[in-house]
Amino acid sequence: GAGVSQSPSNKVTEKGKDVELRCDPISGHTALYWYRQSLGQGLEFLIYFQGNSAPDKSGLPSDRFSAERTGGSVSTLTIQRTQQEDSAVYLCASSLDPEDTLSGNTIYFGEGSWLTVV
Amino acid sequence: AQSVAQPEDQVNVAEGNPLTVKCTYSVSGNPYLFWYVQYPNRGLQFLLKYITGDNLVKGSYGFEAEFNKSQTSFHLKKPSALVSDSALYFCAVNRDDKIIFGKGTRLHILP
Repeated sequence: GAGVSQSPSNKVTEKGKDVELRCDPISGHTALYWYRQSLGQGLEFLIYFQGNSAPDKSGLPSDRFSAERTGGSVSTLTIQRTQQEDSAVYLCASSLDPEDTLSGNTIYFGEGSWLTVV
Repeated sequence: AQSVAQPEDQVNVAEGNPLTVKCTYSVSGNPYLFWYVQYPNRGLQFLLKYITGDNLVKGSYGFEAEFNKSQTSFHLKKPSALVSDSALYFCAVNRDDKIIFGKGTRLHILP
């Protein structure tokens, strides 16, 4: 597709359930990023992928959070045993590669997956 | 240590007046700095970036930002605000192998 695609756009889940959030980056983009946007917390970095490997997982808030990327394309962010504090917008972004990102070329964001844990 | 700070949660400006959204950074070396905007119910959009060269950077929608190394600042500016500029603005900086964002500043342009 033309842009970064995320699904579902909205998800309401019960506390304790597992959820999976999907990100389809721009075709050909090797770098993929997950961020979380909570009210009053700005954009928190979660994890980034270069190809299928994740050199930096430092932002994952707990071991309930995991992510994978297959075929150098689609990525899935999984949250196990969801808690109410997990409610947020989860944003995915991609860029041609990290060198491009850090050289100033832009990263492109999806519209996010709104997660509500009740 | 926090890499990017946006000291104002909210900024209110009358339409037609100049606006400034503040950002300071605390990254060693020569940082790459960015501004992004998020309109209601829409994704994050790139506004402008500073890599090197002129300290005054021009971007989308008439916005510009001034890099000030001595003050470690990268404030976003626009000479004449529009109501349609009302949105959430994020300053960002590169650190290690990723982009780190500030907490955001909500800009309200009053008609």
